[in-house]
Formats: sequence, C-alpha cells, structure tokens
Amino acid sequence: ETGVTQSPTHLIKTRGQQVTLRCSSQSGHNTVSWYQQALGQGPQFIFQYYREEENGRGNFPPRFSGLQFPNYSSELNVNALELDDSALYLCASSLTGVGGYTFGSGTRLTVV
Amino acid sequence: KNEVEQSPQNLTAQEGEFITINCSYSVGISALHWLQQHPGGGIVSLFMLSSGKKKHGRLIATINIQEKHSSLHITASHPRDSAVYICAVKIQGAQKLVFGQGTRLTINP
Repeated sequence: ETGVTQSPTHLIKTRGQQVTLRCSSQSGHNTVSWYQQALGQGPQFIFQYYREEENGRGNFPPRFSGLQFPNYSSELNVNALELDDSALYLCASSLTGVGGYTFGSGTRLTVV
Repeated sequence: KNEVEQSPQNLTAQEGEFITINCSYSVGISALHWLQQHPGGGIVSLFMLSSGKKKHGRLIATINIQEKHSSLHITASHPRDSAVYICAVKIQGAQKLVFGQGTRLTINP
C-alpha cells in the first residue's frame, strides 16, 4: 500500500509568481485535502477535493485553487504569490465515509 | 478563541517520565485525531477517536465527548518520542479538519 507523496519537497519562488504543488493519494483513497502550516502554527484547511470537485473550502482567497485527477492525485495552485504564503503545504488523502487520514511529508514553500 | 486548544504548548521531560498532552474543543465533532509531526514536517496519524480510549504500544488516547476533551498519554517516554503532537477534530457536517497549535515535546536522555 503506497502512502501520500508530495512534490517538490522544497521550493523558492519570487513574490508575484505562480506555483503548482502536487500530491498523490494513498491507494484506495478518493479524497484529497490541502493544508497550509505557517511556522509554529497548526495546519489550516485550504480545501478538499472529492470526485474531481471541490467540496469544502477554508478561509483562503481565490488565488488558491486546485484540481483532482481521475487517479485521485491532486494539485494546489497559488497565483500572485505573497510573502505570507511562505509555509509548509500538506496534503492528506482519505476515503470518504471512513475517516482516517494519511498525510504527505509536505512541500516547504518560501516566497522571497 | 481557537476551536481547538492544546496544552501545554511546550513540554520538556526526562526519559522514562509519564507524559500527558491535553486537547479541548468547542464544536461538535464526528472524530478527533492525534497526530505526530517530526522536524522534517511530515505528519503521522497516531489515533482516530470518536469515543472511549485507544492504546497502541506506549501511547494511550482518551476522549470525553460530554466534556469536549481528549488526552494523549505516553508511558515510559523515550527521546525518540520528541516531536510535535497535534490534536485535530473533524467537525460534524463539515469536510475539514481543524487543528490545534500543537505541543512540542522534548524528552531528554
């Protein structure tokens, strides 16, 4: 059984640029959720995808967008990067209705 | 006030000590998760609870739904237990997990 893989592991971008982060879900899972974790804080929910549709969103602006693919992998896109977007981005996969989550190791994004 | 509060925020103990980390929440939940995060950032799920108590090795997690409180206990603590422990709740009727700020645990040899 594969776990959740995120890529890249680290990334440095310049303010105003766009970034795409990727996440493969665990085998058998159909739901992917994304979280932003600022230094010293707990993760904050960005959004969740199920059956290729966004079915839940946290308090993040529209420049944070995502996709889920037929194989249940997912992308997080952030446009017009701001310095405050610097954080660890975590994705977690789950099977709807079952409840357990498997987390990836995260992508550490630094915006300069 | 955060929907999920953990205490303490930081905890340093000697190897072998019994550790307790507390989590209180203020919303209706369908499940509570205890997670472990190591310095590299990756999160490992330790327990998912909706009632009662669960045990895995030296780790024990309990939840009191009426009091909206959960505890994570570590018996015979070891330096390899050093990590950030995070409580997260699945809010009833919502899709998201809401996380506490975490408890940074350091076990000294």
